[in-house]
Amino acid sequence: KAGVTQTPRYLIKTRGQQVTLSCSPISGHRSVSWYQQTPGQGLQFLFEYFSETQRNKGNFPGRFSGRQFSNSRSEMNVSTLELGDSALYLCASSFRLAGVNEQFFGPGTRLTVL
Amino acid sequence: DAKTTQPPSMDCAEGRAANLPCNHSTISGNEYVYWYRQIHSQGPQYIIHGLKNNETNEMASLIITEDRKSSTLILPHATLRDTAVYYCIVRVSGNTGKLIFGQGTTLQVKP
Repeated sequence: KAGVTQTPRYLIKTRGQQVTLSCSPISGHRSVSWYQQTPGQGLQFLFEYFSETQRNKGNFPGRFSGRQFSNSRSEMNVSTLELGDSALYLCASSFRLAGVNEQFFGPGTRLTVL
Repeated sequence: DAKTTQPPSMDCAEGRAANLPCNHSTISGNEYVYWYRQIHSQGPQYIIHGLKNNETNEMASLIITEDRKSSTLILPHATLRDTAVYYCIVRVSGNTGKLIFGQGTTLQVKP
């Protein structure tokens, strides 16, 4: 079955702009999590959505937001982009059942802020 | 979630077993040990997880010490394609997708 897909794969924006990234989870998966990866900070958890509700949130400013739709697809938005937002943004999906919680990651969206 | 400590880098000869250690001395009784790996510029890939018993799947084996304060991921016959950053993560299973990644171990498999 198809894996986690993320669009776009690459994106270039300028400071002050906003950006929306999209994630389609594996069919049947109801949980989507987002991560930011930078060379300096490594992989950091942004937030998790399950059944259209945010269940967990990492330590990121309010400029970072997300949502999940009824078909489990998720989007994340970053407003007022800063140079430091340049990163690989990864999403992961899972069934989110007790005891079964492997995370399946997408290929990521590479965001460059100029 | 408990913190983990891994060596920053390791080398392994192709065809030999790669043994990647992880210390998690503050692990709680209901926390599992998970291993993921990330091949350059790709998303992390789940490898294996366990609670207290040793586990094996088609990718690797996971050996957890009896006191659960450390574990070892074993790739039995490493190939060049196993070159990646390996992350050991300790967390309560089931009710959250949140993973806390450390710096991981960069495994370089050499011909």
